[in-house]
Amino acid sequence: DAKTTQPPSMDCAEGRAANLPCNHSTISGNEYVYWYRQIHSQGPQYIIHGLKNNETNEMASLIITEDRKSSTLILPHATLRDTAVYYCIVRARSGNTGKLIFGQGTTLQVKP
Amino acid sequence: GAGVSQTPSNKVTEKGKYVELRCDPISGHTALYWYRQSLGQGPEFLIYFQGTGAADDSGLPNDRFFAVRPEGSVSTLKIQRTERGDSAVYLCASSSGLRADTQYFGPGTRLTVL
Repeated sequence: DAKTTQPPSMDCAEGRAANLPCNHSTISGNEYVYWYRQIHSQGPQYIIHGLKNNETNEMASLIITEDRKSSTLILPHATLRDTAVYYCIVRARSGNTGKLIFGQGTTLQVKP
Repeated sequence: GAGVSQTPSNKVTEKGKYVELRCDPISGHTALYWYRQSLGQGPEFLIYFQGTGAADDSGLPNDRFFAVRPEGSVSTLKIQRTERGDSAVYLCASSSGLRADTQYFGPGTRLTVL
């Protein structure tokens, strides 16, 4: 599975958009980009995933560059409850066990 | 519906003791994963079950760790002769087992070995 690089920490003002970047320059053609987050003392929570098209759901939007070497998770209107560690993970969805390989993630602090 | 549940939520034991941690996956999910998370780190994969069988146990750190899933639903992670270095949060996740499946995590069991 490809390795990802994320900034260790970011701040965001409450009500503003939070844009979390992720580099995955060695991603393979069959690998998807997944985002999870982990709020303090809880298990990781699935947010969104995508292959090459931009994706949006009720939680966030995922923008993947055309060359697929990087992506951005967008929380359109961050709230204090969005303070968490955000993990960007790439993995194939077939041909392997599906295990997730977590890095250090980005600690997002939403400030009032 | 109900999510992944794990019991106990906290476990304190003494060095050298045996512990069992339980995971109840989402109903109908055939795939089940165990991860371990040390303080300040991301979760690390331990073992993956597809049905009753362990399809990938490459993440188990040594032979003191063992996991079972006898009926393809509930799973138990067993740790023998616990060491202080085993202290961590043990996370369980399940997925539908179908192609293109998403893993859903439980709240974890915090294990402290004194």
